[in-house]
Amino acid sequence: EAQVTQNPRYLITVTGKKLTVTCSQNMNHEYMSWYRQDPGLGLRQIYYSMNVEVTDKGDVPEGYKVSRKEKRNFPLILESPSPNQTSLYFCASSPTGSPEQYFGPGTRLTVT
Amino acid sequence: AQKITQTQPGMFVQEKEAVTLDCTYDTSDPSYGLFWYKQPSSGEMIFLIYQGSYDQQNATEGRYSLNFQKARKSANLVISASQLGDSAMYFCAMSYTNAGKSTFGDGTTLTVKP
Repeated sequence: EAQVTQNPRYLITVTGKKLTVTCSQNMNHEYMSWYRQDPGLGLRQIYYSMNVEVTDKGDVPEGYKVSRKEKRNFPLILESPSPNQTSLYFCASSPTGSPEQYFGPGTRLTVT
Repeated sequence: AQKITQTQPGMFVQEKEAVTLDCTYDTSDPSYGLFWYKQPSSGEMIFLIYQGSYDQQNATEGRYSLNFQKARKSANLVISASQLGDSAMYFCAMSYTNAGKSTFGDGTTLTVKP
């Protein structure tokens, strides 16, 4: 089944403890993105990648890192999480030439 | 910088009636794409419809149509014959090239009344 998977789906952590949220797609898509969704603010793009080793900042990259060493994976790294990074995170992918983004199920992160 | 504005935080519509969700955008780039997504209460993001900036005709997908008025920079979503299952949050979004840089609006919550 073609899909985008994210792990973990739910995470509660403490301030300053490094964490990684994984994202993987099995559709051989070139494009991948990370978004965060906060109440009343819609989705805001954190980082995106156009292919392996090619990444760029979105609208809210501060406090996040990404890497794209393999086409299928696009992990989101929070090196020192803070409470203002408590949010719902979505990973998405799309192939070159297609407007449709395929979204993962979301990861709900709480930083205390 | 690109910007999406959805001015209706919440909308109500009677079942079987049509409803229009507003979206205006701002960009200086002549080449862009406009999207609508649906997010039900379960949380997943569902792609509904796409309009390219150079497309001459308004996009349609089943009961969804996109009323694209380029000069006014608007891309309203029209849902015909509303169903109870249409109750959800709806997001308008824009991107420049394929699905690289993307910007979403704040969303409109649609409630369909029986």
